[in-house]
Amino acid sequence: DGGITQSPKYLFRKEGQNVTLSCEQNLNHDAMYWYRQDPGQGLRLIYYSQIVNDFQKGDIAEGYSVSREKKESFPLTVTSAQKNPTAFYLCASGNGQDQNIQYFGAGTRLSVL
Amino acid sequence: GQNIDQPTEMTATEGAIVQINCTYQTSGFNGLFWYQQHAGEAPTFLSYNVLDGLEEKGRFSSFLSRSKGYSYLLLKELQMKDSASYLCAAPSYNTDKLIFGTGTRLQVFP
Repeated sequence: DGGITQSPKYLFRKEGQNVTLSCEQNLNHDAMYWYRQDPGQGLRLIYYSQIVNDFQKGDIAEGYSVSREKKESFPLTVTSAQKNPTAFYLCASGNGQDQNIQYFGAGTRLSVL
Repeated sequence: GQNIDQPTEMTATEGAIVQINCTYQTSGFNGLFWYQQHAGEAPTFLSYNVLDGLEEKGRFSSFLSRSKGYSYLLLKELQMKDSASYLCAAPSYNTDKLIFGTGTRLQVFP
């Protein structure tokens, strides 16, 4: 089965703690994205990567970090500098070319303890 | 700048037809997407329009007018399972980033 897998589905963070959200895809897509979704707001882009070993900040990158060491994987770390991390986090991938339909994982819901 | 506007909420009755509108302002244009998102789940791709006109896919159709910066998603023969948020999105000019609207939450009643 081809698709995008995010884990965990639910995650709790303590004050001052860094947490890492996993995103893996087996669609052979070059581009991967991380979005944050808050109630009543659209998806906001955190980071994106168009190719292995390269990534760019999105609109709300502060307090987050990413890596892209493998084509299949694009983990997101929510650092202690992110003061309002409670949200639904969505990972997506796309072929990075014309149309560039983005396909989404099932999401990780992060809450603060 | 780039901006995408769509209504926040809509309601409709099972079996009816509903039209969800989206207006966009983008510097350059490279297509318009519609996604469906059930509560707490991932958005799923519905349609992509790059040329003017109506594209039909079963019960769902999507329309685009580039001159008016306007699109709509038409849902026919509504079913209860169509209750979801519908997201309009457009690529940021000259990049492969997508700009999303806030989504339209559709509730279908029996």
